[in-house]
Amino acid sequence: DVKVTQSSRYLVKRTGEKVFLECVQDMDHENMFWYRQDPGLGLRLIYFSYDVKMKEKGDIPEGYSVSREKKERFSLILESASTNQTSMYLCASRHARDTGELFFGEGSRLTVL
Amino acid sequence: GQNIDQPTEMTATEGAIVQINCTYQTSGFNGLFWYQQHAGEAPTFLSYNVLDGLEEKGRFSSFLSRSKGYSYLLLKELQMKDSASYLCAADNTDKLIFGTGTKLQVFP
Repeated sequence: DVKVTQSSRYLVKRTGEKVFLECVQDMDHENMFWYRQDPGLGLRLIYFSYDVKMKEKGDIPEGYSVSREKKERFSLILESASTNQTSMYLCASRHARDTGELFFGEGSRLTVL
Repeated sequence: GQNIDQPTEMTATEGAIVQINCTYQTSGFNGLFWYQQHAGEAPTFLSYNVLDGLEEKGRFSSFLSRSKGYSYLLLKELQMKDSASYLCAADNTDKLIFGTGTKLQVFP
């Protein structure tokens, strides 16, 4: 069974803290993505990556960075968390550059106080 | 610009048919995805249309018109478990661009 695993389902952090959200996929997918999902705004793309050590900005990259040191792992980093980053974060992956279903992780619900 | 539009909410009765529409405008287009998302869960894949026309998969069908920038998801013989959000997403070569989702409530 294919799987995208996010390290934490629920996190509570304080303003200014550094936050790491980890995502691992076991499908040997080249492409990985980080979205955030907010009521009324849908899924918005933060960053994506086509290959190890490669990263591309999505639609809302401000306040975030990413790391892809290994093919199976894509990390989202909040250098200094702020309350407006309270959200559901979804990691996803898929095989080829321009075809194929996107597989999602279970999501990480982050609350920043 | 890039834009995906779908209704915010819909309601329907158990056993009925419902059609959820989606219009899109993107630079670069490979195809159109539909995902289902139950509250508190991750989205799960329903369908992917590349060519114009209707694709049927059990109780769910999806239609695409590339010239009109239009798609719909058709759900037949609605069941209570179909209450969920339905996400339309345009495959923009590099990435998927999602609409805000349509929350469907099915009543007995």
